[in-house]
Amino acid sequence: NAGVTQTPKFQVLKTGQSMTLQCAQDMNHEYMSWYRQDPGMGLRLIHYSVGAGITDQGEVPNGYNVSRSTTEDFPLRLLSAAPSQTSVYFCASTDTGLAYEQYFGPGTRLTVT
Amino acid sequence: GENVEQHPSTLSVQEGDSAVIKCTYSDSASNYFPWYKQELGKRPQLIIDIRSNVGEKKDQRIAVTLNKTAKHFSLHITETQPEDSAVYFCAASKDSWGKLQFGAGTQVVVTP
Repeated sequence: NAGVTQTPKFQVLKTGQSMTLQCAQDMNHEYMSWYRQDPGMGLRLIHYSVGAGITDQGEVPNGYNVSRSTTEDFPLRLLSAAPSQTSVYFCASTDTGLAYEQYFGPGTRLTVT
Repeated sequence: GENVEQHPSTLSVQEGDSAVIKCTYSDSASNYFPWYKQELGKRPQLIIDIRSNVGEKKDQRIAVTLNKTAKHFSLHITETQPEDSAVYFCAASKDSWGKLQFGAGTQVVVTP
């Protein structure tokens, strides 16, 4: 099992550019989510999905889109990058069996100049 | 929505001493409270969690206590070791697998 994987690990964008952060999991988890982590602010939920074809907004959704066409993949799209989106992005999937543990990917460090 | 406050923001302890981190939550419907440890440059990892039907849970040197009436929960680390140095996050959720609201984190530094 690879667990939760994310690509790329690092990315630099110019203001106004768009890009997609990839996230995949091989644990057959229904629930997946995207967080951003900024210094002193913990992890804030951007979007989440409770299953293929179903997505919803989290705490800080503006400027981001998601889709969930398969159980395995949950990409996060930045529509028009802004310096305020400079952050570390974590994807996570949740074991909805007995454990309910949320497994995080290794993160993507994004810088917008 | 849910709001989780975490204190202190930094905690320095001598090796072998105990460390306590406290969190308060605002939504009385929250029923799942995990704690995550994040080492520098790494991903957060679950270290212990507690559900609202339990007041205390222990796993070796770490324990979590929950006071539903006061809406606060705490992480206790005993006999701290240098490898306990990390950022610790508390979180709360209304459903065990659902949306997590995280605290801002506590930087724990264990000095030899």
